[in-house]
Amino acid sequence: SQQGEEDPQALSIQEGENATMNCSYKTSINNLQWYRQNSGRGLVHLILIRSNEREKHSGRLRVTLDTSKKSSSLLITASRAADTASYFCANGAGSYQLTFGKGTKLSVIP
Amino acid sequence: DAGITQSPRHKVTETGTPVTLRCHQTENHRYMYWYRQDPGHGLRLIHYSYGVKDTDKGEVSDGYSVSRSKTEDFLLTLESATSSQTSVYFCAISGGQGDGQPQHFGDGTRLSIL
Repeated sequence: SQQGEEDPQALSIQEGENATMNCSYKTSINNLQWYRQNSGRGLVHLILIRSNEREKHSGRLRVTLDTSKKSSSLLITASRAADTASYFCANGAGSYQLTFGKGTKLSVIP
Repeated sequence: DAGITQSPRHKVTETGTPVTLRCHQTENHRYMYWYRQDPGHGLRLIHYSYGVKDTDKGEVSDGYSVSRSKTEDFLLTLESATSSQTSVYFCAISGGQGDGQPQHFGDGTRLSIL
């Protein structure tokens, strides 16, 4: 399997704290994407970082990519209860296929 | 939200019966995908389509077939369902040009095979 791995598998924090999730992958990539999944719903695309980029921001999200270590991290700043969800990384080695990791389950306690 | 509709949303059936899941999109996107999601495995690609009548296998295609006769519809068929195919099935679409297009997901079909 070429699946990536998220770390930790589960994370519980207080509202207002920052949440950091890590992703490792096995193959070379064109891009790496992060998705959120609320309970009982489909995945929602959050952010994409290309292999020639090292850092990218979107609102309260910050993603870093280290291709030498085949790893990425997602930082959510000033977390809110509404951020409670599972977060998945997905690596794109080709132009249209993605390989998803197993996800990190984030709980934000009000 | 991207215009993706999966039907049915829930289904319970018996081992050995045929099952067809439907994915309908209103975005005119070229690429369509079927995934299954299981605890401990994340999302795994079953089949995908890169155009009408153009499909290919993913990581876990055994026991599944697909068809795409129109841009907007992508069907997933379990010819003879087995209990190991109990799962949540997601359809996704992507479009546009160039590398790294995001995928947009439907809300899933929860399939139970008894």
